[in-house]
Amino acid sequence: EAQVTQNPRYLITVTGKKLTVTCSQNMNHEYMSWYRQDPGLGLRQIYYSMNVEVTDKGDVPEGYKVSRKEKRNFPLILESPSPNQTSLYFCASSRTSWVHEQFFGPGTRLTVL
Amino acid sequence: GQNIDQPTEMTATEGAIVQINCTYQTSGFNGLFWYQQHAGEAPTFLSYNVLDGLEEKGRFSSFLSRSKGYSYLLLKELQMKDSASYLCAVRLGNNDMRFGAGTRLTVKP
Repeated sequence: EAQVTQNPRYLITVTGKKLTVTCSQNMNHEYMSWYRQDPGLGLRQIYYSMNVEVTDKGDVPEGYKVSRKEKRNFPLILESPSPNQTSLYFCASSRTSWVHEQFFGPGTRLTVL
Repeated sequence: GQNIDQPTEMTATEGAIVQINCTYQTSGFNGLFWYQQHAGEAPTFLSYNVLDGLEEKGRFSSFLSRSKGYSYLLLKELQMKDSASYLCAVRLGNNDMRFGAGTRLTVKP
C-alpha cells in the first residue's frame, strides 16, 4: 500500500530532551516536507526537501533540524524541545521535486512539558 | 509577509452548493492547492490551479484569478461527509508552501 508513515504517533516529553520523529514514504517520491499544525494558524511548513541531500527552510524552521540521506526517509529532529513546540506534526511527500499533490502521513501529536 | 485568508467557519445544508473563498498576497506564486481535512485526520488533496479559470472534478470545482489574488472552492450537492476543514495553499517561487488557516465547513441535514 502506497503510504507515508510517521513514528511515533503520540509523544509526551520534557523540555530539553532531544527527540526524533521519523517519516518514511514508499512511493519513490522526490519531494518531502514537514509541517506543524496549530489551532487558528493552520499548517505551517518547517522544512522541505526536493531530493536526496537537498533541504530548505520553510516558514518556521527555528528549533528544528532535518536530514535527507535516503530518498524514502526524512526525519525531523528537535535538539532541545521547548513547550512552544507542542503541536501536531505532519510529514508529506510529492512525486516530483516540483511540489504538486502532497500525500500526508497520519500525524504525530507532540507534547513538550 | 505572506498572507492567505479564508473564512474561519461556514455552515451549509445537505444538497446545497457552497463556495469557500481564499485570497492571497504572496511574494511569489506558482500554483494554488485545495486540501480537505476531516477532524483528527491528515489533509487530502482536492485540486490544483496554476492558470486562471475553473477546474472541475466531480462535485468539486476550483477557480483561480491570479490578477485578483483570489480562488474559490465550489462544492455541489453537499453531503454530510463533506463536513470538514478546507485548506487553501499557495506554492511560492522557491517550491515552498504556505497554507491558510482553513475553513471549517459544517453540513446540516
